[in-house]
Amino acid sequence: QKEVEQDPGPLSVPEGAIVSLNCTYSNSAFQYFMWYRQYSRKGPELLMYTYSSGNKEDGRFTAQVDKSSKYISLFIRDSQPSDSATYLCAMSAGDTGRRALTFGSGTRLQVQP
Amino acid sequence: SAVISQKPSRDICQRGTSLTIQCQVDSQVTMMFWYRQQPGQSLTLIATANQGSEATYESGFVIDKFPISRPNLTFSTLTVSNMSPEDSSIYLCSVRAAEGNRRFFGPGTRLTVL
Repeated sequence: QKEVEQDPGPLSVPEGAIVSLNCTYSNSAFQYFMWYRQYSRKGPELLMYTYSSGNKEDGRFTAQVDKSSKYISLFIRDSQPSDSATYLCAMSAGDTGRRALTFGSGTRLQVQP
Repeated sequence: SAVISQKPSRDICQRGTSLTIQCQVDSQVTMMFWYRQQPGQSLTLIATANQGSEATYESGFVIDKFPISRPNLTFSTLTVSNMSPEDSSIYLCSVRAAEGNRRFFGPGTRLTVL
């Protein structure tokens, strides 16, 4: 079993829809949770960063972390064709040390105009 | 956020040759990482580039194949040595922000080995 599970999609939605992207994880030590957006042939771009449990909102994006269920979500409101990309969840156990992030496999999102 | 540049952005190389990828950051960072992303897959950590000491490699990656240098707090290089077609991938430089645990990525180097 992978440490982080993410549905690869593709997920296709019409413009204006609310998109829900999810990851589950097995390591209860994870405390830092991130969502990245990666356009084709580009590097990942940090979208949302959350420490521990709770919600965080930034414009059309909302990140939720439920540590008791080991489940994180990213919601995109009023989705736009420009949101079409691969979304990667990532998480980390500690604030220090050499370990980098553990990534999900990514969900490919297509927003149809 | 840190601004990261990588050179080259892409290259096509012959089997058996080596390629050195450069990563430049616009500010001093404590931790720099090198990742590989194979087509259609997620990111795999190759190594952590340590300033002033040898890089720390992940399981499955060795220094002879992926030598790394980090001469200062804003620059690192990754060399892909004795390349084979299986090395065709995107190579990404990543840094950890000074505050918190945010990680940022460069634009990547797309490598094709023939």
